[in-house]
Amino acid sequence: SYELTQPPSVSVSPGQTASITCSGDKLGGNYAYWYQQKPGQSPVVVIFQDTERPSGIPERFSGSNSGNTATLTISGTQAMDEADYFCQAWDSSTVIFGGGTKLTVL
Amino acid sequence: EVQLVESGGGLVQSGGSLRLSCVASGFTLSTYWMSWVRQAPGKGLEWVANVKQDGSEKYYGDSAKGRFTISRDNAKKSLFLQMNSLRAEDTAVYYCARGRVVVAAPPDYYMDVWGKGTTVTVSS
Repeated sequence: SYELTQPPSVSVSPGQTASITCSGDKLGGNYAYWYQQKPGQSPVVVIFQDTERPSGIPERFSGSNSGNTATLTISGTQAMDEADYFCQAWDSSTVIFGGGTKLTVL
Repeated sequence: EVQLVESGGGLVQSGGSLRLSCVASGFTLSTYWMSWVRQAPGKGLEWVANVKQDGSEKYYGDSAKGRFTISRDNAKKSLFLQMNSLRAEDTAVYYCARGRVVVAAPPDYYMDVWGKGTTVTVSS
């Protein structure tokens, strides 16, 4: 079955750039989506269709998708960005999630 | 305000059944696909099921096939998940989410609005 692979954890210093990757065999031919989930809260979509930001999501969040890897980039990372991030794709009428990446801002 | 509110979670014994509900407000439910997604304690997100606007198409994740049934009542602005033969590994927070279909070749899908979730605990 189709799988999406994310690093379990990423650390970044405040103000620096954080990059979270998501790898999958079919990602190049499918859109990637990214959700942010803070402790005790529901997921929130931060990137859709590889690069698009929903209204209300800060400009420091950006996305890319090339080859078999999608990347979520957070520029000028802030303490409030500390959260779990999940990538998602859609294949053959099935929703696939990556395992999630815990972003620590320290 | 666009909102989804889940209910129906609780403690149930292994082998038992539970019916989750989700009430939508602030948008026209009948014009959207809808999804259930769950999250076991300390774990990641797991897709459970999708249903088309009119209920004519339904898709399930592997863990839900044969045991769970997704349905909807657009007149009552509600989404449901009937869960039978529950197991300890079904213990999770269950989220209701609004689906967005991306018109592309092939079409794509993601979830843009999520409820706060309802907790299901299955005791063994």
